[in-house]
Amino acid sequence: GAVVSQHPSWVICKSGTSVKIECRSLDFQATTMFWYRQFPKQSLMLMATSNEGSKATYEQGVEKDKFLINHASLTLSTLTVTSAHPEDSSFYICSAKSGTGPNQPQHFGDGTRLSIL
Amino acid sequence: GENVEQHPSTLSVQEGDSAVIKCTYSDSASNYFPWYKQELGKRPQLIIDIRSNVGEKKDQRIAVTLNKTAKHFSLHITETQPEDSAVYFCAASRRGGGNKLTFGTGTQLKVEL
Repeated sequence: GAVVSQHPSWVICKSGTSVKIECRSLDFQATTMFWYRQFPKQSLMLMATSNEGSKATYEQGVEKDKFLINHASLTLSTLTVTSAHPEDSSFYICSAKSGTGPNQPQHFGDGTRLSIL
Repeated sequence: GENVEQHPSTLSVQEGDSAVIKCTYSDSASNYFPWYKQELGKRPQLIIDIRSNVGEKKDQRIAVTLNKTAKHFSLHITETQPEDSAVYFCAASRRGGGNKLTFGTGTQLKVEL
């Protein structure tokens, strides 16, 4: 149980393109999903918390107009990197919180490797 | 905000030996501490977690200990196997913190034959 699917797994595109990444909880409902960014050989840095039916909460230093998050249903959150540039190249991973109540486990998607040329 | 430090950054052990990874946290309100295993290019996988109302938890070859007073927690892997080789991340989450996890910097564990 607690499977999270993330798509696409790999994106290569030109500078200036907008890229949408989907995160789905397949066998559970997730009122809260999280988006992380991970650089090579580094830790996971939280970008934003995605709440179903409300605006996302962004971490300090993350541009909300650059990284658009939509969580329109209990099983889907999307991250759109708008007008992507080479410095946006990274590994983006989502996670979804299973269960109700505080401090329930987070389950991660497979990640999306984004390369901007 | 919460700060989680993790040591060592790399750890090499012989197959069959034990491995210990240590983390410290700064926020005394943190009450949930998961450990994740991440193989190269893959998703982090939850391997064990512990809440602040217990001091130790064990699952087969993996155990986690928590010292709330000292604000540190450790991952113990016994009888290591080559497939245990991966990057391990500790994390902490505080009550009332919206379930946000703060991750440690990771430990590259290599189990040598």
